[in-house]
Amino acid sequence: DVKVTQSSRYLVKRTGEKVFLECVQDMDHENMFWYRQDPGLGLRLIYFSYDVKMKEKGDIPEGYSVSREKKERFSLILESASTNQTSMYLCASNLDRVPYEQYFGPGTRLTVT
Amino acid sequence: AQSVTQLDSHVSVSEGTPVLLRCNYSSSYSPSLFWYVQHPNKGLQLLLKYTSAATLVKGINGFEAEFKKSETSFHLTKPSAHMSDAAEYFCVVSFRSGGYNKLIFGAGTRLAVHP
Repeated sequence: DVKVTQSSRYLVKRTGEKVFLECVQDMDHENMFWYRQDPGLGLRLIYFSYDVKMKEKGDIPEGYSVSREKKERFSLILESASTNQTSMYLCASNLDRVPYEQYFGPGTRLTVT
Repeated sequence: AQSVTQLDSHVSVSEGTPVLLRCNYSSSYSPSLFWYVQHPNKGLQLLLKYTSAATLVKGINGFEAEFKKSETSFHLTKPSAHMSDAAEYFCVVSFRSGGYNKLIFGAGTRLAVHP
């Protein structure tokens, strides 16, 4: 079974703090993704990575950065957290071949106060 | 352009009755299609996937979906709802953009199951 794990289920941070969200997958997947999920807005892609040290912007990259130093690990970084980044963050991974289904982690619910 | 429309934002059924969650898609080529389920405060779990091998796709927990190209639909069904089926369901299409493969998510359908 594919397993995608995220470092925290719930996180509370203060405005201006630097926040790291970690994601690890154990299936040697090439691609990894970070989404945020908000009521009424669905899932929106923040960043994705198709290889170690490679990254591509998704639909809403502003205020975020990512790091992928090892194939199994993909980190999302909030350089200076703001209240509008309070959200559910979901990590996913997949193989780079048809049908490209993605496997999701359990999510991190981040609250910025 | 690729898009996914889930026709109902909320569906309510009684336990033991059939479930139908409707999804229409738009794709410029033969798509891969998926249904995911999300229970409260959990990640998304893959229910089933269509990859052109067979138009009727069986998934986990008794769910199935039928790909109808002429209607551009991929509706999710289950013969008999269980209380544990209460969750949010997402219809998803896979597409290629800028050399990378991405997913487009529908807005979701919240399924309520009543005793």
